[in-house]
Amino acid sequence: ILNVEQSPQSLHVQEGDSTNFTCSFPSSNFYALHWYRWETAKSPEALFVMTLNGDEKKKGRISATLNTKEGYSYLYIKGSQPEDSATYLCAFERDAGNMLTFGGGTRLMVKP
Amino acid sequence: EPEVTQTPSHQVTQMGQEVILRCVPISNHLYFYWYRQILGQKVEFLVSFYNNEISEKSEIFDDQFSVERPDGSNFTLKIRSTKLEDSAMYFCASGLDSGGEKLFFGSGTQLSVL
Repeated sequence: ILNVEQSPQSLHVQEGDSTNFTCSFPSSNFYALHWYRWETAKSPEALFVMTLNGDEKKKGRISATLNTKEGYSYLYIKGSQPEDSATYLCAFERDAGNMLTFGGGTRLMVKP
Repeated sequence: EPEVTQTPSHQVTQMGQEVILRCVPISNHLYFYWYRQILGQKVEFLVSFYNNEISEKSEIFDDQFSVERPDGSNFTLKIRSTKLEDSAMYFCASGLDSGGEKLFFGSGTQLSVL
């Protein structure tokens, strides 16, 4: 059984705060690490897919880093806005397969 | 922007009944998936489908489950005889390629088995 864990489970921040959360995953048989953003009643939306150790990706105020040797990825949000409120899911992809193993998500709430 | 659509958004059924959950993936995508999330638990993989056949399935995807792409646009998940524990949000997803590619998810079908 693959273990993918995210922390914290939930996070409340003020508008303008920067924040980060963690995804830990197995360091063996790694192929890719996915981050998704999921707003209530909407579809999960892909943010990043990272495949190389040391990868850093950025999309606007959101960025992510990847350490495959130690099995973790960080997601950073700079200057949080209320519209960033969502659940952020990471998913581990093993061996170039189709199956994603998801973490439990971090629920972010940004107060105006 | 193209999107994955799922119908119905909610489905209520009696235990033992058959249900079919429907999905229309993005038109030029080749890889199709079903995932589900039981309330309070992690999103779980059920099955992947490529070239008109199942390419991978999880332990959850037993003989009660089947998938089909009947007409080149729809992608369906059938549960033959629903159990209480099948109650979950079911997500369809599609992708252009396998291996390190983004998946595009639908907004889900909430299945409630009574």
